[in-house]
Amino acid sequence: DIQMTQSPSSMSASLGDRVTITCQASQDIGNNLIWFQQKPGKSPRPMIYYATNLANGVPSRFSGSRSGSDYSLTISSLESEDMADYHCLQYKQYPLTFGSGTKLEIK
Amino acid sequence: AVQLVESGGGLVQPKESLKISCAASGFTFSNAAMYWVRQAPGKGLEWVARIRTKPNNYATYYADSVKGRFTISRDDSKSMVYLQMDNLKTEDTAMYYCTGDSSQGVMDAWGQGASVTVSS
Repeated sequence: DIQMTQSPSSMSASLGDRVTITCQASQDIGNNLIWFQQKPGKSPRPMIYYATNLANGVPSRFSGSRSGSDYSLTISSLESEDMADYHCLQYKQYPLTFGSGTKLEIK
Repeated sequence: AVQLVESGGGLVQPKESLKISCAASGFTFSNAAMYWVRQAPGKGLEWVARIRTKPNNYATYYADSVKGRFTISRDDSKSMVYLQMDNLKTEDTAMYYCTGDSSQGVMDAWGQGASVTVSS
């Protein structure tokens, strides 16, 4: 199975900060990775498709990138509405596997 | 608008069965692969099952944790997807989300979730 090692598990940042969350894949997944945002009591919302493509309606302060087996979600200037859990998902191979999640809090 | 609505969750005892449903609307359901994803209380997301479309022979795939106990199915005529859960275990307690590839990409549509509690 492909393991997705997500870091950090939690973080606190100030409004306006640049924030980066990373998932490392244990095997090659190409760009077959999605980033989801999940707010308390809500369903996940896709934010980034195919590692780097912004989903419809997602603010441009969100971006995705890849360096080798490391995949990153970056928020260029943190806003209060970005407080949420973030999850990565690889869909290159079965079983599909999620990262363990990152809880993003606002200082 | 794209909509997925789950139903059928509830409280069951260990070893019992439960079937949850998901009604889809606002997209061409027959063209969409569909999935179930679950989230145990306070935990992360776990993929459970996937069902492909008719041209792909309705192929199904399962997480090892549910293989042999859960069955995903679909009825394209009703735009419905189902998850039959047998021999339930306490560790199956979770919110079960229906999700699908409606238009933009993989898992781009999500339901609000169906709560399943397995407890004696």
